[in-house]
Amino acid sequence: DAGITQSPRHKVTETGTPVTLRCHQTENHRYMYWYRQDPGHGLRLIHYSYGVKDTDKGEVSDGYSVSRSKTEDFLLTLESATSSQTSVYFCATGESTDTQYFGPGTRLTVL
Amino acid sequence: AQSVTQLDSHVSVSEGTPVLLRCNYSSSYSPSLFWYVQHPNKGLQLLLKYTSAATLVKGINGFEAEFKKSETSFHLTKPSAHMSDAAEYFCVVSAAGAGSYQLTFGKGTKLSVIP
Repeated sequence: DAGITQSPRHKVTETGTPVTLRCHQTENHRYMYWYRQDPGHGLRLIHYSYGVKDTDKGEVSDGYSVSRSKTEDFLLTLESATSSQTSVYFCATGESTDTQYFGPGTRLTVL
Repeated sequence: AQSVTQLDSHVSVSEGTPVLLRCNYSSSYSPSLFWYVQHPNKGLQLLLKYTSAATLVKGINGFEAEFKKSETSFHLTKPSAHMSDAAEYFCVVSAAGAGSYQLTFGKGTKLSVIP
């Protein structure tokens, strides 16, 4: 798994509360990604980073923001969680824009 | 633009019989193609990747895939299924050659292995 950890692994929260998920890597990979996985949709890209402080939007970025203040950490924030954001969130990293390695996932439930 | 179609949402095989998981792709550029496997409640693990070298790609756990440009296919095979192969498999296309950061995932094929 290329030394990728995600925290927390499970979280239950209420609608309207802010939530931050953390991805930490020990591989010194340049690129980092956040995906969500939902039944029938496969994995969809939320945001990605191509370097410290360099981020951009993916396919489903509405309602999410990210930050990357150092190479090893990539944070995903839900400013005001909604039930539609109940999902499993995966972080991925890679040294190139090609091959990506995935973390174990965070299961988020928004009540 | 790029897309991936996994032709079967569910495949069931008997232990010891061959596995075939089908994937067709569409890409405006020379693509890189991948297969990932996801066991229940786990993350995704890279099985194999094609990046314009040999068209027959060997991966981990006895899996292999053949890139066929004329058919725009990248089917995953294994000669003999094992119980531990039961998982969900994702075919993925990358447009890194076109300067894109994005991977496009298929919707997945769930493989069941019957003892």
